[in-house]
Amino acid sequence: DVQMTQSPSTLSASVGDRVTITCRASQSISRWLAWYQHKPGKGPNLLIYEASTLQSGVSSRFSGSGSGTEFTLTITSLQRDDFATYYCHQYNHYPWTFGQGTKVEVK
Amino acid sequence: QMQLQESGPGLVKPSQTLSLTCSVSGGSISSGTYYWSWIRQHPEKGLEYIGNIYYSGSTYYNPSLKSRVTISLDTSNSQLSLRLSSVTAADTAVYYCARGPSDGRGYHHFDYWGQGTLVTVSS
Repeated sequence: DVQMTQSPSTLSASVGDRVTITCRASQSISRWLAWYQHKPGKGPNLLIYEASTLQSGVSSRFSGSGSGTEFTLTITSLQRDDFATYYCHQYNHYPWTFGQGTKVEVK
Repeated sequence: QMQLQESGPGLVKPSQTLSLTCSVSGGSISSGTYYWSWIRQHPEKGLEYIGNIYYSGSTYYNPSLKSRVTISLDTSNSQLSLRLSSVTAADTAVYYCARGPSDGRGYHHFDYWGQGTLVTVSS
């Protein structure tokens, strides 16, 4: 299975901050990577797919980049609603796998 | 607006079969452009992909669960189903159903998710 490693596991930030989350794959996944925001009691919400394509309806404060084995999710000007856990997901090689998550918490 | 809603028993005894249903509304479950998947999240842990079914009926199962999993589609009732046999405490998790838009090559992310349902395996 492709191992997805996210860093950091926890990120403390303030409203207005720019935050960056990194996801590394154990082998090349081309650009078949998605990012989700997850809040307790809800299903994950798709933010980015194909590494850098913004899902319809998602704020342009979210952006993704990368290819091969290294990817980043950037949130500019963090808002209160952005405090959540973020997961990366590779869908190049079965079984699809996810990163362990990055919790963005209030500093 | 597409909506997915999981339902099923919240408590299952060890060695029994876990059965969940995902009701889909706001769109056709029989559309040829989507995969329908099940994903689970163990308590305080990450997400694990269980498998998927295409509108044609073809399925993919995670090899780690393949011997125990069945995913099916009931297009007449717009429902997706999951059956997991011989459960143990290790199957205790929140179970999600999700829709994956097909690009024709099989690669798919998940654009809609249900809110998840907690299943506890305990006697």
